[in-house]
Amino acid sequence: QLQLVQSGAEVKKPGASVRVSCKASGYPFSSYGISWVRQAPGQGLEWMGWISADGSTNYAPNLRGRVTMTTDTSTGTAYMELRSLGSDDTAVYYCARDGLIAAVGTFDYWGQGSLVIVTS
Amino acid sequence: DFQMTQSPSSLSASVGDRVTITCRASQSIRSYLNWYQQQPGKAPKLLISGASSLQSGVPSRFSGSGSGRDFTLTISGLRPEDFATYYCQQTYSTPLTFGGGTKVEIK
Repeated sequence: QLQLVQSGAEVKKPGASVRVSCKASGYPFSSYGISWVRQAPGQGLEWMGWISADGSTNYAPNLRGRVTMTTDTSTGTAYMELRSLGSDDTAVYYCARDGLIAAVGTFDYWGQGSLVIVTS
Repeated sequence: DFQMTQSPSSLSASVGDRVTITCRASQSIRSYLNWYQQQPGKAPKLLISGASSLQSGVPSRFSGSGSGRDFTLTISGLRPEDFATYYCQQTYSTPLTFGGGTKVEIK
């Protein structure tokens, strides 16, 4: 069945970087893009950006310069790296299936979420 | 950026009630509006896309309406599994943005 399986929880120190993975299965990875959405504890949803299967990206302006999204089509895996972490980056990070050509935003399948805690 | 404002932020209702949640966009987004349901500790689930198109497998007690700036999500006949937080999302333009959420609690 169609699944997006994400990497496990991470604990990072302020200023560090984190990389979260999202492995897709059950559908042709090259036919869709992936968006990343995060949710701080007790807060709402924040779109972080989108990547197509071939590597085109569209990042949220407030994260541009700190975030990098990549894909590995050989394994059907998407990655999100966030640098210069601060305490306000503590959140659950989700990947979600999105459009191939652009960030369509209709997220029909989601990963289970990856908790990232930033603490000294 | 398009700001999305949901109201109310929370509500209490009983099983069987009809519940309406509203979402207003800061500018017209035509019908580029989705609704998601999120249970505690779970990923969001897509309920409605394009303001009114029910996703496959979503019960027909959920319905969406609206266009332009004003949208509504209605749950007709609330069931125990519907107690959750609901988010609207505009897909008219990036950055994609979500409303602040509406938590539906048991009265």
